[in-house]
Amino acid sequence: QLQLQESGPGLVKPSETLSLTCTVSGGTISSSTYFWGWIRQPPGKGLEWIGTIYYSGSTYYNSSLKSRVTISVDASENQFSLRLSSVTAADTAFYYCARLIKTGAPRYYFDYWGQGTLVTVSS
Amino acid sequence: EIVLTQSPGTLSLSPGERASLSCRASQSVSSTFLAWYQQKPGQAPRLLIYGASSRATGIPDRFSGSGSGADFTLTIDRLEPEDFAVYYCQHYGTSLWTFGQGTKVEIK
Repeated sequence: QLQLQESGPGLVKPSETLSLTCTVSGGTISSSTYFWGWIRQPPGKGLEWIGTIYYSGSTYYNSSLKSRVTISVDASENQFSLRLSSVTAADTAFYYCARLIKTGAPRYYFDYWGQGTLVTVSS
Repeated sequence: EIVLTQSPGTLSLSPGERASLSCRASQSVSSTFLAWYQQKPGQAPRLLIYGASSRATGIPDRFSGSGSGADFTLTIDRLEPEDFAVYYCQHYGTSLWTFGQGTKVEIK
């Protein structure tokens, strides 16, 4: 059974960089069948897609966050990571990592999700 | 960029009733890239429907998806107590993934 687990600091100071890692177990990140993505959800609000990565390193970002976001992959560790710079209180949210189906039809939906981790931006 | 608008914002129903949730896109989209998720309090979203009408593994057949063009519907027949949750539609287009704002199905 595939599992995804987010990890990283739960508290980040304003103007600093938020860094999270998603560890994939029960499957390989280096598969041509899947993308890997980050989604966030401010407490009590809806879902916002942050970005998506392929194991080769190709990335796609939400245009509203693009200038501050970097998503990377470490295939040897079966992990992918999120960095969000210059954070403010508006970046306080639950952050989820997820797997996306890349091939076939239908595709481009999130079929497995991590449990999520709350990151609070506060001094 | 495609915007997904879900309605109603909140649906108040009793167990056993039928729920119809709408997801309208700002322009015609491919049903191949339309999915629905369920989220319960304190939990991650769970995939319900992909390709507008295909049920994900383990999803009961009381959940069904339909629609095409710009209008899509998630129907829940005979609401069970565990179905009261928030539901999101999601679309992929031109290297962008977008979510609707969600519909909360609450117990009347």
